[in-house]
Amino acid sequence: DSGVTQTPKHLITATGQRVTLRCSPRSGDLSVYWYQQSLDQGLQFLIQYYNGEERAKGNILERFSAQQFPDLHSELNLSSLELGDSALYFCASSVGVSGGAYNEQFFGPGTRLTVL
Amino acid sequence: GESVGLHLPTLSVQEGDNSIINCAYSNSASDYFIWYKQESGKGPQFIIDIRSNMDKRQGQRVTVLLNKTVKHLSLQIAATQPGDSAVYFCAENMSGANNDMRFGAGTRLTVKP
Repeated sequence: DSGVTQTPKHLITATGQRVTLRCSPRSGDLSVYWYQQSLDQGLQFLIQYYNGEERAKGNILERFSAQQFPDLHSELNLSSLELGDSALYFCASSVGVSGGAYNEQFFGPGTRLTVL
Repeated sequence: GESVGLHLPTLSVQEGDNSIINCAYSNSASDYFIWYKQESGKGPQFIIDIRSNMDKRQGQRVTVLLNKTVKHLSLQIAATQPGDSAVYFCAENMSGANNDMRFGAGTRLTVKP
């Protein structure tokens, strides 16, 4: 158990809908990261927050948004959902903000999103 | 459990044999590399890391080799066990930059008893 929790574990919805995925980081970790894992794209970095502020953006669509709250939990909002958004969405957390050693990312168990 | 990357490269080994998983990374400016293991239905789990000022690092039953000249990483698993069956990803990032890791495509390791 990494100490990172994600809810819900599974989510099934229809095209055009909006969903919110939730992540609670490990105790003491200030950075939260969101990744998308689909069968044909592998693990793709979406966005990073550090202590409530956005720090880095990856391949995140404009239909997607995220935020990190004062208690450090984070939510990933996915709107106008399309069939291609079906994927595993992982949250990770780390102590600090920078890359390199001593700032290992710990991954949660993921949320499986299915768009029908 | 969840299926990850049904079209991944695969490596099948006999229990007790050594496994070698390879990865090519993309950014010559990357100076920190990590291997992750992902079991079915779980998130990626850290195995071992290496900084660019090293070319080899050993852990318990695992060794990572780094060849910066050709931007290549390998993960060697000694005496492979059934519990090692998983998808293995390499990841790269840059010290001091934001911690957005870039993952390789992954390799599925299957250990036959």
